[in-house]
Amino acid sequence: AQSVAQPEDQVNVAEGNPLTVKCTYSVSGNPYLFWYVQYPNRGLQFLLKYITGDNLVKGSYGFEAEFNKSQTSFHLKKPSALVSDSALYFCAVRVILTGGGNKLTFGTGTQLKVEL
Amino acid sequence: AAGVIQSPRHLIKEKRETATLKCYPIPRHDTVYWYQQGPGQDPQFLISFYEKMQSDKGSIPDRFSAQQFSDYHSELNMSSLELGDSALYFCASSLGLAANEQFFGPGTRLTVL
Repeated sequence: AQSVAQPEDQVNVAEGNPLTVKCTYSVSGNPYLFWYVQYPNRGLQFLLKYITGDNLVKGSYGFEAEFNKSQTSFHLKKPSALVSDSALYFCAVRVILTGGGNKLTFGTGTQLKVEL
Repeated sequence: AAGVIQSPRHLIKEKRETATLKCYPIPRHDTVYWYQQGPGQDPQFLISFYEKMQSDKGSIPDRFSAQQFSDYHSELNMSSLELGDSALYFCASSLGLAANEQFFGPGTRLTVL
């Protein structure tokens, strides 16, 4: 089964420090990978995606992610964290379904807490 | 740019009641997806539609049904509601069945008392 894993339930980082939120994938074939952010009682906001091309993907709000095929990882990074980045982050993979469509399978989420 | 619209944003129901959630995709998008996110959980795929036909089915209970209408909006009908149905229900849309990206709406928070 195609899946992603987020090994950390929570990540704490001081404001101004770099942050990393980890994601590993288990996919047959070429993976389509995504990062979403969710603020409390809000919807899912798209951050970035990897389909093909450069392994370093730049997204919204200064976030970027590096696709690493040998390590089957797609970690989310930001050079300098802000308190306002505190939120729940989901990694997701596109899964092709038998009906010809697709769905997103999400990781369990990582709560990011940025402190002053 | 227009986004996915979901209504209502919040809904409170009693056990055994019915609920209808609506989703209006981005204009020209012909594919709609429904996801359920329980408290503290990751979103789970329920069902999808393409060109008004059901495309794929995920972990959707038999008490739930959905359809996509001629204007491409979709409705999720939930009957005999249970406490465990309390969740955030997301709709997403895309252009085409094989689209790389799904665009999510803000969600409908359903609370069953």
